[in-house]
Amino acid sequence: AQSVAQPEDQVNVAEGNPLTVKCTYSVSGNPYLFWYVQYPNRGLQFLLKYITGDNLVKGSYGFEAEFNKSQTSFHLKKPSALVSDSALYFCAVRSADSNYQLIWGAGTKLIIKP
Amino acid sequence: EAQVTQNPRYLITVTGKKLTVTCSQNMNHEYMSWYRQDPGLGLRQIYYSMNVEVTDKGDVPEGYKVSRKEKRNFPLILESPSPNQTSLYFCASSAIASGRAEEQYFGPGTRLTVT
Repeated sequence: AQSVAQPEDQVNVAEGNPLTVKCTYSVSGNPYLFWYVQYPNRGLQFLLKYITGDNLVKGSYGFEAEFNKSQTSFHLKKPSALVSDSALYFCAVRSADSNYQLIWGAGTKLIIKP
Repeated sequence: EAQVTQNPRYLITVTGKKLTVTCSQNMNHEYMSWYRQDPGLGLRQIYYSMNVEVTDKGDVPEGYKVSRKEKRNFPLILESPSPNQTSLYFCASSAIASGRAEEQYFGPGTRLTVT
């Protein structure tokens, strides 16, 4: 069965420090991987995706994510956190043979402290 | 402005009283989808539609209906709501034709409480 795991319910980071939000996946075939962000009282917004190519993908707001096939991971990263990055982050995966359906992780709450 | 709109944003209702949550997008997207978001469970897809008159079940379709009579609209219908349908609902849309089907645009959400 296809699945996505975000092992941390919450991540706390001091402003200016690097941040990592973890995601691991299980999917048949080649994975399509995504990160979305949800700010308070808002809908989700697309951040970035990995389909093929370079293992390091860059997205919106200075975020990037590293695809690691051997570890089946797709961790979200940012070199220097901002207080405004505080939000709920969702990892999602789609298998190449699915009908555009995304399987979502449970979400990780990121808190950036001044 | 490109957007997905949902109405109402908040709704409190009683068990068994039929309700409809509307969803509309102005981006000419082919793909539309309904999700529910519950704490600790992430998003779960209820129904999706790949174009007009084409709908299909997601992971949790029981108790819900949808229709896609026009490309821009994708209403979610709860014919007989029950308390376990209390949740935060999101509508989303995306463009299949441009190869960006998974880059979904989300509406602001509808918080439904069924008592």
